Amino acid sequence: EDKVVQSPLSLVVHEGDTVTLNCSYEVTNFRSLLWYKQEKKAPTFLFMLTSSGIEKKSGRLSSILDKKELFSILNITATQTGDSAVYLCAVEGGSNYKLTFGKGTLLTVNP
Amino acid sequence: DAGITQSPRYKITETGRQVTLMCHQTWSHSYMFWYRQDLGHGLRLIYYSAAADITDKGEVPDGYVVSRSKTENFPLTLESATRSQTSVYFCASSEVLDEQFFGPGTRLTVL
Repeated sequence: EDKVVQSPLSLVVHEGDTVTLNCSYEVTNFRSLLWYKQEKKAPTFLFMLTSSGIEKKSGRLSSILDKKELFSILNITATQTGDSAVYLCAVEGGSNYKLTFGKGTLLTVNP
Repeated sequence: DAGITQSPRYKITETGRQVTLMCHQTWSHSYMFWYRQDLGHGLRLIYYSAAADITDKGEVPDGYVVSRSKTENFPLTLESATRSQTSVYFCASSEVLDEQFFGPGTRLTVL
């Protein structure tokens, strides 16, 4: 059974802090790992990672995948209150294109 | 409007009633998915579809029925609603090896 574990489950920081969110996985026939941000609505896509060691970056957010050690990290630098959300990690694998989601990390950024 | 839509956005029903949640996408994506999101469980896949007339079970299919007679529509039916099916339901669509785009969600309450 495919498994995705995110840590920490929740995190409270102050504006300006840098945070690192973790995602480890076990999946057969790994294809890709995706990060989503979810505020009080539908998840919105952040990154898709398919190759090890390549960093994806968008503004203050960046992510890297380690296919050997089966994990990914999502970094957010200079956090802002608008970064407060649940961050979801999902892995695509198997013989079809299903995503298996972790339970998410709830990030709260206080002013 | 282009995108993925769900209806209704909110629904209250009673135990034992049949309920159908609608999902419509305008991108002609091959894949469509239904998830439920509950506290403590994250997003769990109910059913998915790789193309019209092709559907398959996800992680938590019991009590649900889907159909996909047209590429753009993927309705989810609760044949006899139970209180344990109170949840937020998200529909998503994607092409192969691409991000999943999520609809706005339907909040279902079963009394």
